[in-house]
Amino acid sequence: DIQMTQSPTSLSASVGDRVTITCRASRLINNWLAWYQRKPGKAPKLLIYAASTLQSGVPSRFSGGGSGTEFTLTISGLQPEDFATYYCQQGHTYPLTFGGGTKVEIK
Amino acid sequence: QVQLEQSGAEMKMPGSSVKVSCKASGYTLTDYYIYWMRQAPGQGLEWMGWIKTNSGGTYYAQKFQGRITLTRDTSISTVYMELNNLRYDDTAIYYCARQAISGTPNYCDPWGQGTLVTVSS
Repeated sequence: DIQMTQSPTSLSASVGDRVTITCRASRLINNWLAWYQRKPGKAPKLLIYAASTLQSGVPSRFSGGGSGTEFTLTISGLQPEDFATYYCQQGHTYPLTFGGGTKVEIK
Repeated sequence: QVQLEQSGAEMKMPGSSVKVSCKASGYTLTDYYIYWMRQAPGQGLEWMGWIKTNSGGTYYAQKFQGRITLTRDTSISTVYMELNNLRYDDTAIYYCARQAISGTPNYCDPWGQGTLVTVSS
């Protein structure tokens, strides 16, 4: 199985900050990478797919980059509603696998 | 709007089976795959399998082969996930999710609200 490793596992940031989360795949996945946001008690919500394509309706302050084995999710200008846990997921090889999550907390 | 509504929480005995439903609304069920994931307490998200809703074809994670069955009833826009021979470590929140982008597999959106399945004696 392809292992997805996110870093950091948590971070503290302030409203307006620029935040970057990294996701590394244990094997090449080209650009088959998605990012999800999850708030407490809610289901995950797709933010980005194909590594850098913004899902419809997602604010443009979210952006994704990378290819191959290393990927990033950047939030430019953190908003109060962005405090949540973020997960990456590879869609290249079955079984589909997820990163362990990065919790973004208020500083 | 596109929504997936899952059935309610279940409490099951070890060795029994559970069947969770996922009702789609706001779109045509057969236009998109449905995926199933779960998250056990303190664990990460785990993909279980998918169903191709127009044909009923399925693909399961090897871990669940032999224990999981995904089916659909197109007349009521509902997909079902049945897991057999339940173990204590099957205690988890189970999610269905729609294929996010038509023609592009393996990305999921939206997700159902989740169904808690507790395996306990």
